[in-house]
Amino acid sequence: NAGVTQTPKFQVLKTGQSMTLQCAQDMNHNSMYWYRQDPGMGLRLIYYSASEGTTDKGEVPNGYNVSRLNKREFSLRLESAAPSQTSVYFCASKDRARVGQPQHFGDGTRLSIL
Amino acid sequence: KNQVEQSPQSLIILEGKNCTLQCNYTVSPFSNLRWYKQDTGRGPVSLTIMTFSENTKSNGRYTATLDADTKQSSLHITASQLSDSASYICVVSALGGANNLFFGTGTRLTVIP
Repeated sequence: NAGVTQTPKFQVLKTGQSMTLQCAQDMNHNSMYWYRQDPGMGLRLIYYSASEGTTDKGEVPNGYNVSRLNKREFSLRLESAAPSQTSVYFCASKDRARVGQPQHFGDGTRLSIL
Repeated sequence: KNQVEQSPQSLIILEGKNCTLQCNYTVSPFSNLRWYKQDTGRGPVSLTIMTFSENTKSNGRYTATLDADTKQSSLHITASQLSDSASYICVVSALGGANNLFFGTGTRLTVIP
């Protein structure tokens, strides 16, 4: 049972570099989410995709873009990385059609921007 | 403003002891409240979900309570084990909308032998 798979697990970037964080789920969930988790703060929503073909901004979208490639995959792109984007990034998925279902999280990508 | 506050921020207990973690929220209109466990280096995993009509729910040694009137929840861990060392996150869901989850900052529990 793979669940939600995130790649890479770790990454170090220089300021101004770009990169894409990958996320794939094998649970046939329709909704997918990207969060960032910083020390002393709760998980904050960056972008979400309620269903294939749609994406919407969350609480902290600035500096990020997303692509819902298909039902399984939801990628997060940093076009020009900044030190403030150093964080742990979590992807999650959920079956919104079933009431009360939890979000299922990946194990995160730890990103450092120098 | 919709907020979720957890206390304490961190807690250290001896193996075998019990502990209780607190969650207060101001989220409205309330849909449900979920407790997640997050092991170090891993993503959060759901432990329990509480809806408006439920005031207690157990999952093994974990028991969650909900007082919807005072907007408080607690997570009680019985006979703690070393594997209980983790962060515990309270998440409150509001009715309606696709972006309706509000996260607490978590309680870091350390169980020592």
